[in-house]
Amino acid sequence: DAGVTQSPTHLIKTRGQQVTLRCSPKSGHDTVSWYQQALGQGPQFIFQYYEEEERQRGNFPDRFSGHQFPNYSSELNVNALLLGDSALYLCASTKQGANTIYFGEGSWLTVV
Amino acid sequence: AQSVTQLGSHVSVSEGALVLLRCNYSSSVPPYLFWYVQYPNQGLQLLLKYTSAATLVKGINGFEAEFKKSETSFHLTKPSAHMSDAAEYFCAVSHSGAGSYQLTFGKGTKLSVIP
Repeated sequence: DAGVTQSPTHLIKTRGQQVTLRCSPKSGHDTVSWYQQALGQGPQFIFQYYEEEERQRGNFPDRFSGHQFPNYSSELNVNALLLGDSALYLCASTKQGANTIYFGEGSWLTVV
Repeated sequence: AQSVTQLGSHVSVSEGALVLLRCNYSSSVPPYLFWYVQYPNQGLQLLLKYTSAATLVKGINGFEAEFKKSETSFHLTKPSAHMSDAAEYFCAVSHSGAGSYQLTFGKGTKLSVIP
């Protein structure tokens, strides 16, 4: 049973560019969340998707947007990249009604 | 609003010694509480969770945690540290309400195990 899978694992972007990160949830899960983990910090909640809609959002600017597809996979888009966006981006999935949240290995984004 | 405070950004123990990682939470509603472990350059792995059942929760790799409402604490313990326990540990809290899966994390505690 595959867990939460994310791609790409590493990428380097230039300031001002846009990036798309992808996530496939664990089999049977229908809810996907995204977190940003800066170096030396705990993960920070970005937003959560369920039934292809954004259900909750953390304290992140509109430059951060997402999408959930009918197969429950998800994308995180970040526009107008800043140096401060350099971080590990973690995708997490769960099933509505459950209380266990599983994380993927993350996508390392470096903005230069 | 919820918050988590992890006391000690770095803890060192000798191999075979007791591991104690401290976590205090603040929540306006009954919380769900979690401990995750992160090995270098990897994602987060769930160690254990408290979801309002038994207050003493046993997890993987010999770890356990006790929910103490009066102290708003959820400290993580392991009787005997192993070299493979060296990692960063995160305590997290979420609402117990249905449909809410937003985790609020502490800043983490890096555990070093000395041979």
